[in-house]
Amino acid sequence: DIQMTQSPSSVSASVGDRVTITCRATQHISTWLAWYQQKPGKAPKLLISDASRLQSGVPSRFSGSGSGTDFTLTISSLQPEDFATYYCQQANTFPFTFGPGTKVDL
Amino acid sequence: QVHLQESGPGLVKPSQTLSLTCTVSGGSISSGSFFWSWIRQPAGKGLEWIGRVFISGDTKYNPSLNSRVTISVDTSNNQFSLRLNSVTAADTAVYYCAREAVAVAALDYWGQGALVTVSS
Repeated sequence: DIQMTQSPSSVSASVGDRVTITCRATQHISTWLAWYQQKPGKAPKLLISDASRLQSGVPSRFSGSGSGTDFTLTISSLQPEDFATYYCQQANTFPFTFGPGTKVDL
Repeated sequence: QVHLQESGPGLVKPSQTLSLTCTVSGGSISSGSFFWSWIRQPAGKGLEWIGRVFISGDTKYNPSLNSRVTISVDTSNNQFSLRLNSVTAADTAVYYCAREAVAVAALDYWGQGALVTVSS
């Protein structure tokens, strides 16, 4: 299986901060990478697919980059509703696998 | 707007079979543009992809569960289902159904999740 790692595992930030989360795959996955946001008690929400394609309705302060094995999710100016846990997921090889998550809190 | 809703027993005894159904509304499950997936999340932990089914019946499963899992589709009721045999306490989790768009290879719509507890 392709293992996904994320760093940091948690980050404390303030409204207005720029936050960057890194995701790394143990094998080359091209750009078959998605980012999800999950709030407590809720299902994950797709933010970005294909490493950098912002989903419709997702604020432009979210952006994704990377290819191969190293990827980044950036929140340019953190808003109160962005405090959540973020997961990356590879869709290059079965079984699809998720990173362990990065919790963004105040 | 596509909506997915999980349903099924919230409590299953060890060694028995976990069965969940996902009802899709706002779109046809027969569309050839989507896979229909199951993902689970133990309390306080991360996400685990269980598997997916295409309208043709073609399935892909996580090898960690391969021998115990079956995902099937019911086009007449616009539903797809998960069966997990021989459950143990380790299978206690919130189970999500989700749609994977073929074009983007990502899970773009999710159900709200169903908590399934394995306990005697």
